Amino acid sequence: GAVVSQHPSWVICKSGTSVKIECRSLDFQATTMFWYRQFPKKSLMLMATSNEGSKATYEQGVEKDKFLINHASLTLSTLTVTSAHPEDSSFYICSARDWLAGGLRTDTQYFGPGTRLTVL
Amino acid sequence: QKEVEQNSGPLSVPEGAIASLNCTYSDRGSQSFFWYRQYSGKSPELIMFIYSNGDKEDGRFTAQLNKASQYVSLLIRDSQPSDSATYLCAGTSGTYKYIFGTGTRLKVLA
Repeated sequence: GAVVSQHPSWVICKSGTSVKIECRSLDFQATTMFWYRQFPKKSLMLMATSNEGSKATYEQGVEKDKFLINHASLTLSTLTVTSAHPEDSSFYICSARDWLAGGLRTDTQYFGPGTRLTVL
Repeated sequence: QKEVEQNSGPLSVPEGAIASLNCTYSDRGSQSFFWYRQYSGKSPELIMFIYSNGDKEDGRFTAQLNKASQYVSLLIRDSQPSDSATYLCAGTSGTYKYIFGTGTRLKVLA
């Protein structure tokens, strides 16, 4: 099956610093990746859609200057949380779109293991 | 507003029973539907997808889709305590983005 990795799996940082999270599709090329955040006992909230070679599309209410997304290659997207504050503490999860999952033309998202961010 | 709705649960079933998880959606244009399992503190894991009316079976899991009723379900046969998790239903929204439900928490009692 399709494998997506994320790094780091957890990070603790001081308020005001920036944190970069990497998302990689390991065995398939992903022209589109997605970034979600999830608060405890809540559902996934889509933050942005990351397209290889173009600017990310952010969901309403998500600050694009705070959450910088770069999709530099077909297997790598990065999310940088700039000037992080305690309210940015959350579980960040990326997914990669495989439109040819299992040989069938069905868009399928495969999720990375997530990054738990704690801002002190 | 396009929505996918799920009962939050918890749904409790005894070990060995059939667990039935349900999902309704509002967008008639949704083409494909996905079931993910999410253990506490972990990311979602794909169980299966379905895009044709009817049933689709994969091991102990059966997904059912009824587009006329805008209804998707997931049946888990011979439920095990290891199946205890939150199950997320998602549908495509006309683009390649998903609309996720809020999830149903399943508890399988040993």
